Parts: sequence; structure tokens; C-alpha cells
Amino acid sequence: KQEVTQIPAALSVPEGENLVLNCSFTDSAIYNLQWFRQDPGKGLTSLLLIQSSQREQTSGRLNASLDKSSGRSTLYIAASQPGDSATYLCAAFNTDKLIFGTGTRLQVFP
Amino acid sequence: GAGVSQSPSNKVTEKGKDVELRCDPISGHTALYWYRQSLGQGLEFLIYFQGNSAPDKSGLPSDRFSAERTGGSVSTLTIQRTQQEDSAVYLCASSFTLYRMGYTFGSGTRLTVV
Repeated sequence: KQEVTQIPAALSVPEGENLVLNCSFTDSAIYNLQWFRQDPGKGLTSLLLIQSSQREQTSGRLNASLDKSSGRSTLYIAASQPGDSATYLCAAFNTDKLIFGTGTRLQVFP
Repeated sequence: GAGVSQSPSNKVTEKGKDVELRCDPISGHTALYWYRQSLGQGLEFLIYFQGNSAPDKSGLPSDRFSAERTGGSVSTLTIQRTQQEDSAVYLCASSFTLYRMGYTFGSGTRLTVV
């Protein structure tokens, strides 16, 4: 049974810092891994999708990497801004569904 | 439509009443998922559809929960005889195909059972 873990659970940083959010999964037989952002009281916004054959994906200040063999993915946020404050969720897709981690709650203060 | 649409956005119901939650996926998306997010908890899988079929209903918490999808499009999640523990945000997601493609989520329905 796939289990997805995210570390740290919460993170508070000053504006401008570069951040790394970690995601680990127990079953490496995944089709893809997706990173989402969730603002308070809102739904999920997809940030990046990495296929199992890929090593990384980039979008603006975001870069996500995937290492299937070690069961890890990282989300790198460059030059963080207060607007990046949200909960970040990773989800591994294997067999037939997305399995979510419990998230990292990020606060970026001015 | 341009995104996944869920209605209502908020629902307050009395304990024991039945509720219906609606999800309108992106046009052409064949896969549709329902998740539940309780306060302070992660996302819990409920059920998914491939077309109109539901290959995996294993996440439905009890027989009070049911879901259907018609015409390969709109899906409804029905909760009968609601209980306070059913209070949560119910999220729907869709994808063009079951595998390989990313999922787009709706804004959710916040259900409060009083």
C-alpha cells in the first residue's frame, strides 16, 4: 500500500529565501507524481506534474525533481515571496489513484 | 467548461438529512475522482470513475455514501442520513485519461452537518 510522507509539516521563512520541500513515497511503481498548492478554504491548484520517466520539471520559480529508485521528490522554490504562503501537497499516482501526503504548510513573511 | 465545477460551494444540513453534491468535470475528461478532506486532515480517496464505470469504490466510508456518473460527464455524490462526522470538504478532480495525465481539482463543497 502506497504511503506518502512530507517533511517538514510546517515551515516559516523570511521573504527571499530559497526553499526545499520534501516528499517520500514507499512504492516506487508510480506513473507520475504531482505537486499541488492549497490556499486556506480553497481547492487544489496543480503546480507541476512529473512523469515516471522524467527527472524534473520546472515552472517559473518552481522546480520539482523525482528519484523513483529512492522514493523521493523535492519541490524547490526560488526567491520565496509572501504570496507563496500556502499548503503544498505532493501526490503519487500508482495503480489507479492519487495518494496524497499530509502537506507542508509554508509561511513566507515580509 | 474551463475548469472543474462543483456545487454547491457550501452546504449546511441537519443531521439525518440526505445531501447531493455535484461535480461537472472538464469537457472530454474521462477520469473523475472524489476525495474528502476533513478539518486538519489529508485528502482521503472516496471513489473514481472511468467513463460511467466505478472500478474502485473502496474509499466510500459506509453504505450511506454512493456516487454515480452519467453520460461520461457530471457526477453526483450522495450522502444519506448525514452524520456530524460527514462534515468535511468534498473535492472532485478530473483528467483526460486515467494514467499519465495530471489531475485538475474543483474548489470543493464544504459540507457542515449540524
